[in-house]
Amino acid sequence: NAGVMQNPRHLVRRRGQEARLRCSPMKGHSHVYWYRQLPEEGLKFMVYLQKENIIDESGMPKERFSAEFPKEGPSILRIQQVVRGDSAAYFCASSPQRTGNTEAFFGQGTRLTVV
Amino acid sequence: AQSVTQLDSHVSVSEGTPVLLRCNYSSSYSPSLFWYVQHPNKGLQLLLKYTSAATLVKGINGFEAEFKKSETSFHLTKPSAHMSDAAEYFCVVSDISNFGNEKLTFGTGTRLTIIP
Repeated sequence: NAGVMQNPRHLVRRRGQEARLRCSPMKGHSHVYWYRQLPEEGLKFMVYLQKENIIDESGMPKERFSAEFPKEGPSILRIQQVVRGDSAAYFCASSPQRTGNTEAFFGQGTRLTVV
Repeated sequence: AQSVTQLDSHVSVSEGTPVLLRCNYSSSYSPSLFWYVQHPNKGLQLLLKYTSAATLVKGINGFEAEFKKSETSFHLTKPSAHMSDAAEYFCVVSDISNFGNEKLTFGTGTRLTIIP
């Protein structure tokens, strides 16, 4: 089992460009979570998805950010018109079920730098 | 809302000496609590978790943590530090959202340095 795979590991974008971050969950996991870690801060919940459904996006910024988890392929976190404040590490986690003290397995993260 | 406070942003200990990483939480009910470790350029790895069973929880690599409700604390300890323990450690509290999913609230992290 390859674990949660995120790519790219590092992404540099100029202000105003789009950033696409990809996350392939562990085999057999249908629940995906995205977290953002700003410099010198802990991880903050952004969004929770199941296949083809956004379940909880209460942590997502209202504008420019979107997420999807299609029936086939990885989950995508998309940031449009990036700004310097979007520079952060973005972590994806997956789990086999929704709740119940389930361990979430994390990927290595994508470090986004906006220049 | 739940929250987690990690009292030390940096801790340095000598190899072979005990490790203590402090964590206090705030919760309106009995929480699930976790410690995660993040090695440089690696993903987060679960060290241990408390889920209202035994208050003393044993994890991987010799780490353990004790849940103290009266003190709202969940400090992480290890009797003898090893060089490979150098990493960032996160104390985490779990919350169940209105949508029924588990949301993790992370502390700001404690960077552990091991002195040879």
